[in-house]
Amino acid sequence: NAGVTQTPKFQVLKTGQSMTLQCAQDMNHNSMYWYRQDPGMGLRLIYYSASEGTTDKGEVPNGYNVSRLNKREFSLRLESAAPSQTSVYFCASSGRQGNNQPQHFGDGTRLSIL
Amino acid sequence: GNSVTQMEGPVTLSEEAFLTINCTYTATGYPSLFWYVQYPGEGLQLLLKATKADDKGSNKGFEATYRKETTSFHLEKGSVQVSDSAVYFCALSDSVIQGAQKLVFGQGTRLTINP
Repeated sequence: NAGVTQTPKFQVLKTGQSMTLQCAQDMNHNSMYWYRQDPGMGLRLIYYSASEGTTDKGEVPNGYNVSRLNKREFSLRLESAAPSQTSVYFCASSGRQGNNQPQHFGDGTRLSIL
Repeated sequence: GNSVTQMEGPVTLSEEAFLTINCTYTATGYPSLFWYVQYPGEGLQLLLKATKADDKGSNKGFEATYRKETTSFHLEKGSVQVSDSAVYFCALSDSVIQGAQKLVFGQGTRLTINP
């Protein structure tokens, strides 16, 4: 009963290092999302993928890239990490089309940039 | 653009107290509205939703009514338990693009229930 699985759970990077956050879902969902969660700011959408083979920018895409590897997997890459990217990152997925279907979230990756 | 504003936390209550967490929104059109809950160390889970005006969403004793005239979606529970301690997020569905649902979240309200 995995749902949405994110790896790693914790990571510490130095400024300028690169890293890829992994996300996989086993619910056969078409759409996947990456959010960042910062204190007092709720969740903000970084990128999303409506379906396999498509990706689009969200509210805060600068400094990130994504890859929808297949229907199950959606990765987030930081090419040159900056302290402003210290945050908790959540991956989510959703199934059938429509604006009232819930998104299912992973447990998050806590990322610190020194 | 669309936005969601929640009451500032943290909120601390005693067990069996009545809970209200206020949420108001700004949106064009008629978005769907959601409450998500985040327990410590976990991701967000959908608590309840409402898709049109005057709809009432309910789950686990929590309720919220979609009020178009006041652009509000306040979360209520009649008698809270220690296990309700969590962070609560109000959200609206900003748009649906090719089946992907873009959500806009409020800043979250941390709730602590003391025994």
